[in-house]
Amino acid sequence: EDQVTQSPEALRLQEGESSSLNCSYTVSGLRGLFWYRQDPGKGPEFLFTLYSAGEEKEKERLKATLTKKESFLHITAPKPEDSATYLCAVYNAGGTSYGKLTFGQGTILTVHP
Amino acid sequence: DTEVTQTPKHLVMGMTNKKSLKCEQHMGHRAMYWYKQKAKKPPELMFVYSYEKLSINESVPSRFSPECPNSSLLNLHLHALQPEDSALYLCASSQSGVSSTDTQYFGPGTRLTVL
Repeated sequence: EDQVTQSPEALRLQEGESSSLNCSYTVSGLRGLFWYRQDPGKGPEFLFTLYSAGEEKEKERLKATLTKKESFLHITAPKPEDSATYLCAVYNAGGTSYGKLTFGQGTILTVHP
Repeated sequence: DTEVTQTPKHLVMGMTNKKSLKCEQHMGHRAMYWYKQKAKKPPELMFVYSYEKLSINESVPSRFSPECPNSSLLNLHLHALQPEDSALYLCASSQSGVSSTDTQYFGPGTRLTVL
């Protein structure tokens, strides 16, 4: 069964304290890994798509990387406005899950000023 | 522009009511999705329309009825809901059909409360 596990469940940082969020996955055939940011009561906001191991993408203070088993979302010098839930999701390649996104449980990030 | 719009933002309904949620995108996307999200949980897929045809139905109860009138619009008709159906309902779209690996873009959601 396809699985996506995110860690930690919650992360508290001081403003400027860099850290990383982890997304490990077990799928029959990875066809894309996605990072989203979600603020309370709002829809997920797209951040990055990664398709192959070794790929990296950056946007402002965020950098996403991908290996064959996991992805990291690195946050450099975070600000309070980076506080949100970060969701990782993968597209499945086979069986009855074909074409569906499987989401991890998310990491709740809180950045204190 | 990667905007998906949803109306209404909030909806309160009784268990005997009939209501509809609406979703619209003008990005020319050919796949549209309905998700349900409970508090502190990730989105759960309900339905997928690919090229205006129902492609995936995740065994959702019949009190939820999706409709895709055209390539830009997606509706979710609600009837005889239960209090446990209270959740954030999200619409999403992606460029190609469901068999692609395109990014899904989400709307802001409709917060549904069933009394």
